[in-house]
Amino acid sequence: AQSVTQPDIHITVSEGASLELRCNYSYGATPYLFWYVQSPGQGLQLLLKYFSGDTLVQGIKGFEAEFKRSQSSFNLRKPSVHWSDAAEYFCAVGAGGNTGKLIFGQGTTLQVKP
Amino acid sequence: DGGITQSPKYLFRKEGQNVTLSCEQNLNHDAMYWYRQDPGQGLRLIYYSQIVNDFQKGDIAEGYSVSREKKESFPLTVTSAQKNPTAFYLCASKGQSAHTEAFFGQGTRLTVV
Repeated sequence: AQSVTQPDIHITVSEGASLELRCNYSYGATPYLFWYVQSPGQGLQLLLKYFSGDTLVQGIKGFEAEFKRSQSSFNLRKPSVHWSDAAEYFCAVGAGGNTGKLIFGQGTTLQVKP
Repeated sequence: DGGITQSPKYLFRKEGQNVTLSCEQNLNHDAMYWYRQDPGQGLRLIYYSQIVNDFQKGDIAEGYSVSREKKESFPLTVTSAQKNPTAFYLCASKGQSAHTEAFFGQGTRLTVV
């Protein structure tokens, strides 16, 4: 069955430190992969996406992610975290052919210490 | 500005009541989706529609119903058959191309009182 796992439910980092949020997926074909961010009580905003091609993708707000097929991973990284990055982060895989359905991970809550 | 509008932002339902959540988009997207979000469970798909007058059940459709009479609108009704409706509901839409992402509304928080 298709699935997405985000192993870390909650991560705390100091402002200015680097960040890596983990995402592992299970999907038979070449996956379409996404990272979304959600502030409390708000909708989801796309950070970045991978469909094909270069396995290192750049997104908004200084985020990047690397697709590693051999590890079934799509980890999100940022070299220097800002206090405004505190939010919940969701990894998702596109499922069901061209239906556009998404399967989400459980989410990782990021807390930033001053 | 183009986008997805969900209303209301907060909704309270009494036991045994049906309530309808509104979702409107002006992005000219063919596909629309309803997801339910519960703490620690990510988002789960309730229903989706790829074209007007057609929709499909998602993973947790029981106790919910939808309609798609217009391209711009995809309302979700939470019926009295949904035993645990308290959650955050998110509507999304997506263009036809496979290489595009879903855009999300700001959500509706439904609480049973």
